[in-house]
Amino acid sequence: NAGVTQTPKFQVLKTGQSMTLQCAQDMNHNSMYWYRQDPGMGLRLIYYSASEGTTDKGEVPNGYNVSRLNKREFSLRLESAAPSQTSVYFCASTVTASTDTQYFGPGTRLTVL
Amino acid sequence: KNEVEQSPQNLTAQEGEFITINCSYSVGISALHWLQQHPGGGIVSLFMLSSGKKKHGRLIATINIQEKHSSLHITASHPRDSAVYICAVRLKPWGTDKLIFGTGTRLQVFP
Repeated sequence: NAGVTQTPKFQVLKTGQSMTLQCAQDMNHNSMYWYRQDPGMGLRLIYYSASEGTTDKGEVPNGYNVSRLNKREFSLRLESAAPSQTSVYFCASTVTASTDTQYFGPGTRLTVL
Repeated sequence: KNEVEQSPQNLTAQEGEFITINCSYSVGISALHWLQQHPGGGIVSLFMLSSGKKKHGRLIATINIQEKHSSLHITASHPRDSAVYICAVRLKPWGTDKLIFGTGTRLQVFP
């Protein structure tokens, strides 16, 4: 099993450009999450999907949209990138909403100039 | 004030030393997680606790619900334990998906 995979690993954007971060898991997990990690701050939840077909906002959803394409895939879209969105983005998954362990992807390092 | 506070922020140790990392929280929780972030950036879940104590190899995690405090101990530390250790809490009610994360404790173990 590959676990949780993310693409791309690195990306540089100019202000105003758009892009989609891809996440996929092969563990048949129901719940998936997008976090961002900034220096000196803990991981912060952007959006999550408790199950296929549902998505909910987390702490910092502004400037982002998500799509739960199917049970395996959960994508994060930046419609008009801003320098404040420079961060490391992690996708994670868990079996169900009440399950204990979250499995993380390797992260995407995004720089917005 | 952050809802999850970790101490210390940075920790250095000599190989073989006993390590303690602390996590305090100010909200009602249903569970507490300890995670390890490797120097390369990958994040791995170590423990989930709702009461008592758990042990896995040289790692021990404890939680005191009344005191709103958890500790992660590493016995006989090794340079490969060098990483950032992150505490996260799952808010009540049980089943809430959202975790609140601490800012992490950076541990360096020297040979």
